[in-house]
Amino acid sequence: DQQVKQNSPSLSVQEGRISILNCDYTNSMFDYFLWYKKYPAEGPTFLISISSIKDKNEDGRFTVFLNKSAKHLSLHIVPSQPGDSAVYFCAAPLSGSARQLTFGSGTQLTVLP
Amino acid sequence: KAGVTQTPRYLIKTRGQQVTLSCSPISGHRSVSWYQQTPGQGLQFLFEYFSETQRNKGNFPGRFSGRQFSNSRSEMNVSTLELGDSALYLCASSSTPGNTDTQYFGPGTRLTVL
Repeated sequence: DQQVKQNSPSLSVQEGRISILNCDYTNSMFDYFLWYKKYPAEGPTFLISISSIKDKNEDGRFTVFLNKSAKHLSLHIVPSQPGDSAVYFCAAPLSGSARQLTFGSGTQLTVLP
Repeated sequence: KAGVTQTPRYLIKTRGQQVTLSCSPISGHRSVSWYQQTPGQGLQFLFEYFSETQRNKGNFPGRFSGRQFSNSRSEMNVSTLELGDSALYLCASSSTPGNTDTQYFGPGTRLTVL
């Protein structure tokens, strides 16, 4: 049973526009969330994280929003660039263990030039 | 600093065989975690080693095992391979316990079981 869900397998966005990637979770005990980006033939790369004591975290073009009551988080990329085209995974640590992450199934983002 | 390396990058095996995959963490990192990625399943946690001890194990059958050596290099072994074991196997290393955002992933080993 997936505790972190990404219901959109793919998303296409025009260059310069905003990309919004969504993630839902079922376990209310999760207190930390991460986003990873993955290019083909490479391992996932850490992008940004958020603690449950916050509802927003920003890093350059990337902002993650957390809505605890809805058990929902989203990653906003503004402005989107063709180099952002990749698979994006949201993840959360299981059992409070930093190195045991449960991942969503990923969303393929395609930024069109 | 060299990143996480995994060998081999690609592997083809037949059902019933066994396979060993290797992971060398970033120099100085003592924690290695293994994940399996299959289409539509995302990444699923296999196990984690820290200082040669298995600290956590995911929900996988006993055919999946691993170990870590004194130099922090890790191996995972899958015995009696099944078609469903075809996947990308990723390892990740991190330096300090409790630091969630410093897991660095290797490029993975693509295993195909025929």
